[in-house]
Amino acid sequence: NAGVTQTPKFQVLKTGQSMTLQCAQDMNHNSMYWYRQDPGMGLRLIYYSASEGTTDKGEVPNGYNVSRLNKREFSLRLESAAPSQTSVYFCASSEGPSRSTDTQYFGPGTRLTVL
Amino acid sequence: AQSVTQLDSQVPVFEEAPVELRCNYSSSVSVYLFWYVQYPNQGLQLLLKYLSGSTLVKGINGFEAEFNKSQTSFHLRKPSVHISDTAEYFCAVSSPYGGSQGNLIFGKGTKLSVKP
Repeated sequence: NAGVTQTPKFQVLKTGQSMTLQCAQDMNHNSMYWYRQDPGMGLRLIYYSASEGTTDKGEVPNGYNVSRLNKREFSLRLESAAPSQTSVYFCASSEGPSRSTDTQYFGPGTRLTVL
Repeated sequence: AQSVTQLDSQVPVFEEAPVELRCNYSSSVSVYLFWYVQYPNQGLQLLLKYLSGSTLVKGINGFEAEFNKSQTSFHLRKPSVHISDTAEYFCAVSSPYGGSQGNLIFGKGTKLSVKP
């Protein structure tokens, strides 16, 4: 089992460009999450999906959109990247349905720089 | 709303010494508590979690934590650390209620550096 995989591992964008971060899990989990990690800030939840076809905003959703394509895949899109979105992005999944108690399994992260 | 404070941003310690990483939380409702570890250039993985029951929780790699409701703390301990424990450790809190309170709220992290 690969667990949670993320692509790409690294990306450099110019301000205003768009891109999609991909995430897939092979654990048959119901819930999936996107977090961002900034130096000295811990992780902050951007969006989550409790099941296929549903998505909900987290703590810092502005500037992002998500798609739960199917049970395995959850993508994060930046429509018009800004320097403030320079961060490390982590995808995670959990068995569900309780996001407050379930163990979350994290991918290796995508390091995004916006110039 | 919940919040988490990790009191030390960096903790240096010698190999085979004991270590305690401190975590305090703030919440007006009951909580669930977690410790996650992040090794260099990797994602986070769960060390242990407190949901209910015994306040002393044992996790992987010899770590344990104690939930202290009166002091609103959930400190992580290990009696003897190894070089391989060098990593960043995150305390997190959630609650059984819906909405944003059900989300995991992470502390800012504590970097544990184990020296030979």
